[in-house]
Amino acid sequence: QVQLVASGGGVVQPGTSLRLSCSASGFSFGGYGIHWVRQAPGKGLEWVAFIGHDGNNKNYAESVRGRFTISRDNSKNTVDLQLNSLRTADTAVYFCARDGVGCFDLWGQGTLVTVSS
Amino acid sequence: EIVLTQSPGTLSLSPGERATLSCRASQGVISKNLAWYQQKPGQAPRLLIYGASRRAAGIPDRFSGSGSGTDFTLTISRLEPEDFVVYFCQQYGSPITFGQGTRLEIK
Repeated sequence: QVQLVASGGGVVQPGTSLRLSCSASGFSFGGYGIHWVRQAPGKGLEWVAFIGHDGNNKNYAESVRGRFTISRDNSKNTVDLQLNSLRTADTAVYFCARDGVGCFDLWGQGTLVTVSS
Repeated sequence: EIVLTQSPGTLSLSPGERATLSCRASQGVISKNLAWYQQKPGQAPRLLIYGASRRAAGIPDRFSGSGSGTDFTLTISRLEPEDFVVYFCQQYGSPITFGQGTRLEIK
């Protein structure tokens, strides 16, 4: 089955860290870039980060640059997002999504990150 | 950064009617980089249209996309009950941005 499964969310305090993971199956993972997109409760979608198929190309949204780090392990079909120095504004459902032709053609179900004191 | 503005914010229609959703960009968007997504409550978005007018795999032909430059449209020709959810447009520039969404509600 072609799918992405996001995990690792939870409730954390401001200033702390969390590591999210996206596990892929059913397709040639090493041939695709992967994005993280987040959605604050009741809000719209915000692109967060991208990693190219071989891990050599990485991009971040201005709002997370310097705090979040994206990485991948093609031997395990996983992409991780390390979230450091978390803020209450980072509270959101985090989706991983496969890079398509100028779009996101496959999405994981999302994992909720809540930053609260 | 390209800002995408969707209108209307909420669209009230009846099943069987035609829906026209607008997405306007603050500067020109390459057509191949404009996509539309449908999001049902509690679910991840689903790709409907990419390249401004190409239907994604498995998407019914009642969904169509059009437009170029700064003005793009998603049309749903005959609304089914399951279509009354939220729709987002997205452009694949640097950075990638999304519109704020249009909620389609039953009149």
